[in-house]
Amino acid sequence: GNSVTQMEGPVTLSEEAFLTINCTYTATGYPSLFWYVQYPGEGLQLLLKATKADDKGSNKGFEATYRKETTSFHLEKGSVQVSDSAVYFCARVLIQGAQKLVFGQGTRLTINP
Amino acid sequence: DGGITQSPKYLFRKEGQNVTLSCEQNLNHDAMYWYRQDPGQGLRLIYYSQIVNDFQKGDIAEGYSVSREKKESFPLTVTSAQKNPTAFYLCASSPTGYPQHFGDGTRLSIL
Repeated sequence: GNSVTQMEGPVTLSEEAFLTINCTYTATGYPSLFWYVQYPGEGLQLLLKATKADDKGSNKGFEATYRKETTSFHLEKGSVQVSDSAVYFCARVLIQGAQKLVFGQGTRLTINP
Repeated sequence: DGGITQSPKYLFRKEGQNVTLSCEQNLNHDAMYWYRQDPGQGLRLIYYSQIVNDFQKGDIAEGYSVSREKKESFPLTVTSAQKNPTAFYLCASSPTGYPQHFGDGTRLSIL
């Protein structure tokens, strides 16, 4: 199949905690992978991406490594802030070139001060 | 500044009425997309267009229609055939082979 599965939320952490949001995908081949973030009432913003196996995407302290062995692309951050509270979506390309994306269901993250 | 503009931000539809959601981009992107987002769910693709005057159905095209007469514009019409139109609608665009950029969305509700 062509699906993306994220860990179920909501996730609630204290400020400065370590964050992991799991994402696994099914695919034939090695599709480009993305993490998008959605703040309340807004559209999605691209957070980071990886286009081939073993690539590490990083941005704003967040990281994710494309692991073909485990078909995973887990999102991590060493020390979260209140401003990181948002919904996070993992996505993979379904059709390369057309950039048709398949999204996970999203994980709501709340960071308490 | 370049970006994607969706309007209106909030839209209300009466039963049996068609409504059109606007999406304009000044990023010179070839491809444009429409997604539907329901509470607690991921995004589902309604329609996408890779070039002017051409578009393809996504996963949930029934009850929706689009046009792509200009590169900058990709309006979505929610027809009366869409029985459950209440949702958050997101428009996106991308250069060929690059990640998508999203607008801020339109929230559609039924009166």
